[in-house]
Amino acid sequence: AQKVTQAQTEISVVEKEDVTLDCVYETRDTTYYLFWYKQPPSGELVFLIRRNSFDEQNEISGRYSWNFQKSTSSFNFTITASQVVDSAVYFCALTIFSGSARQLTFGSGTQLTVLP
Amino acid sequence: DADVTQTPRNRITKTGKRIMLECSQTKGHDRMYWYRQDPGLGLRLIYYSFDVKDINKGEISDGYSVSRQAQAKFSLSLESAIPNQTALYFCATSEAVNYGYTFGSGTRLTVV
Repeated sequence: AQKVTQAQTEISVVEKEDVTLDCVYETRDTTYYLFWYKQPPSGELVFLIRRNSFDEQNEISGRYSWNFQKSTSSFNFTITASQVVDSAVYFCALTIFSGSARQLTFGSGTQLTVLP
Repeated sequence: DADVTQTPRNRITKTGKRIMLECSQTKGHDRMYWYRQDPGLGLRLIYYSFDVKDINKGEISDGYSVSRQAQAKFSLSLESAIPNQTALYFCATSEAVNYGYTFGSGTRLTVV
């Protein structure tokens, strides 16, 4: 079975601080995809990034960056110079291709609060 | 129009009532999903459908049923609502499992 763990339930930072959201996953499959979604206070789920298991390159998109390390089964998300608008719940998710598990499995989410 | 539309957006219902949550998508995708979100538990899969004739139970299907009326429509029913089904419900669609999902705006259901 696959599993995603986001151990940080809540994080609070002051604006302009950097913050890293941790994601640890478990799967026996060698082919899988990892995702991050953002859920702002309005409630919708916004896709942020997708990464496949064969691509361990880190990715940077503006103030956002992602560090994928297969050796530690982690896919961490860093926000640089955080802003109040970054306040949201962030979900990490995993999908594999085999059997009946061909759907996204989500972590429990991390509530990020950025204080002005 | 939104890619995935859920109706209603909010609903309060009484224990024991039957309720249907509707979802329609304009993406043209075959795959559709219903998830439930509870605080501290993330999103958990209720049912999923890979095409009109293929419907599968997810992690927490007890107390729920679904209907795939067309490629674009996937409805979730609570036959006899109970208070612990109070949650935020999301419908989603995807082109393929590795493409990620497009989610609806959610339906906030309260069972009193």
